[in-house]
Amino acid sequence: AQKITQTQPGMFVQEKEAVTLDCTYDTSDPSYGLFWYKQPSSGEMIFLIYQGSYDQQNATEGRYSLNFQKARKSANLVISASQLGDSAMYFCAMREPSNYQLIWGAGTKLIIKP
Amino acid sequence: GAVVSQHPSRVICKSGTSVKIECRSLDFQATTMFWYRQFPKKSLMLMATSNEGSKATYEQGVEKDKFLINHASLTLSTLTVTSAHPEDSSFYICSARDRNRAEHYGYTFGSGTRLTVV
Repeated sequence: AQKITQTQPGMFVQEKEAVTLDCTYDTSDPSYGLFWYKQPSSGEMIFLIYQGSYDQQNATEGRYSLNFQKARKSANLVISASQLGDSAMYFCAMREPSNYQLIWGAGTKLIIKP
Repeated sequence: GAVVSQHPSRVICKSGTSVKIECRSLDFQATTMFWYRQFPKKSLMLMATSNEGSKATYEQGVEKDKFLINHASLTLSTLTVTSAHPEDSSFYICSARDRNRAEHYGYTFGSGTRLTVV
């Protein structure tokens, strides 16, 4: 069965430092997509970045990059130069190819310290 | 960009009453709508998947008679919590998928509804 694992329930990071949020996944399907979302306290889900299983390069979106290590089945999110506004819950998710449902990790609560 | 308007954002209702939550896709066709429930500090829990014009598929353990989902058009899906009780208090969020749209790789989330049953 497909599964997403986020092992860091919470992280404290000093402002302006880089932060890596861990995500590992399990699937037997060769075609899959991996997502990262940010959920601030307001509750909205904000799309950050996407990585397809066949993408040759790691995805990047501004300060966000995805460290995709296919053999290790990991898709860690890297946030460079963290800002106070980055404080939020972060979820890793994987798309099921059969029905397009998203499988969600437990999330990581990131707190940026000034 | 793709927007899903979810209303209401907050609702307080009395135990035993029903509450309807709406999700409208404003500039695209939501061929599939996913409805989630989220408990505080927890991940999203998929309740059901609905495709336009067909009955919703509910996840195991979700009472379909209690959580009525309607997806009658490509731009509107509704979740009705019938005979709500305090244990139904939660954050509900919808996610629309347009198979013809690449933005956000096809998924657009509503802003969520915080339901409190008193």
